[in-house]
Amino acid sequence: DAKTTQPNSMESNEEEPVHLPCNHSTISGTDYIHWYRQLPSQGPEYVIHGLTSNVNNRMASLAIAEDRKSSTLILHRATLRDAAVYYCILRDDYGGSQGNLIFGKGTKLSVKP
Amino acid sequence: GAGVSQSPRYKVTKRGQDVALRCDPISGHVSLYWYRQALGQGPEFLTYFNYEAQQDKSGLPNDRFSAERPEGSISTLTIQRTEQRDSAMYRCASSSLRSGISGEQFFGPGTRLTVL
Repeated sequence: DAKTTQPNSMESNEEEPVHLPCNHSTISGTDYIHWYRQLPSQGPEYVIHGLTSNVNNRMASLAIAEDRKSSTLILHRATLRDAAVYYCILRDDYGGSQGNLIFGKGTKLSVKP
Repeated sequence: GAGVSQSPRYKVTKRGQDVALRCDPISGHVSLYWYRQALGQGPEFLTYFNYEAQQDKSGLPNDRFSAERPEGSISTLTIQRTEQRDSAMYRCASSSLRSGISGEQFFGPGTRLTVL
């Protein structure tokens, strides 16, 4: 699976939007982009995933660059509960996929009241 | 509904002892994954199963580590002759789709293993 690059940490103010970037310049055509987050003292939880088109769900939006070499996770209104480590993960989900997730170090998001 | 459960939640053992960590996935989930997480690091893949078949064990650190899922449901991760470097949080996850298709993994609360 291709490697991703994320900033180590970011800060946000409560109720403001947050844009978490992820670079994946060596992404292959069959790699899906997955985002998970891990709140303090908890296991990781799924946030969103996508292949080419932008995606929205109740938690967040995923904006994928046209060349797919980067993506941005968007939290529309950060809350204190969104303080977590956010992981951007690539996984080949077609033929030959191993299914496991390869976590990097992620971005630690702090939210200030 | 019930999520992924793991037991015990905490395990303290002496070096050289064997330990068995249990994972009970969400009912009906086909795929089951084991990860290990050191403090301040992201989870590290160990092994995974589709039904009862172990698909990939390339992440197991050495032959002291083994896992099984004999009936395609509950899984046990066994560490023989534990060493202090085995101390970590061991996390289990399950998903409802066959590996190879993008699907959400649900993680359990983890077992905190401490080897003295």
